[in-house]
Amino acid sequence: GAGVSQSPSNKVTEKGKDVELRCDPISGHTALYWYRQSLGQGLEFLIYFQGNSAPDKSGLPSDRFSAERTGGSVSTLTIQRTQQEDSAVYLCASSLVASGGGSSYEQYFGPGTRLTVT
Amino acid sequence: KQEVTQIPAALSVPEGENLVLNCSFTDSAIYNLQWFRQDPGKGLTSLLLIQSSQREQTSGRLNASLDKSSGRSTLYIAASQPGDSATYLCAVRPGGKLIFGQGTELSVKP
Repeated sequence: GAGVSQSPSNKVTEKGKDVELRCDPISGHTALYWYRQSLGQGLEFLIYFQGNSAPDKSGLPSDRFSAERTGGSVSTLTIQRTQQEDSAVYLCASSLVASGGGSSYEQYFGPGTRLTVT
Repeated sequence: KQEVTQIPAALSVPEGENLVLNCSFTDSAIYNLQWFRQDPGKGLTSLLLIQSSQREQTSGRLNASLDKSSGRSTLYIAASQPGDSATYLCAVRPGGKLIFGQGTELSVKP
């Protein structure tokens, strides 16, 4: 595709329910990243994948959060037993590679999924 | 711990002015620095990426500089236009992930 796509664009869920957010990276990009943007915290890193492996998942806020990537392409971020503090915009990005220099590292972002937990 | 600070938090200028946005970071051990633009309710658009070995990058009316030793970067916007109104974010990459500043909200008045 032309860019990174994310679905759904908006999600409203009740506290305690599980949600799945999806990210489709740019075709050919081996690295995929998840970030969260909330009013009080700015833009925070959650996890990134190189291929199907996650070398850095240090930003996941609790064990309620998990992510996977299959086939080196699509990724899903799952939040179990959602809490109101999970309300935020979840952004996905991709790049050709995750390490090294050069423009091949440049990250391209999707439009985000706005999650509201009521 | 790497921290990224952007000053000012908000800026309002009349159309046609040249302006500078500032970004500072506490740890100079970075691979590169990236400037982004974010429009309300939208994702991030990459503007410029500067490698740690570079001093500056230019794209159209935008020029970004990097002084890694002092932990500073600036984004210069020439001849500002109302369409430049957005939030501008800088981010540094110490490893795989990006660490972002809080952003500068720019408003260009016609």
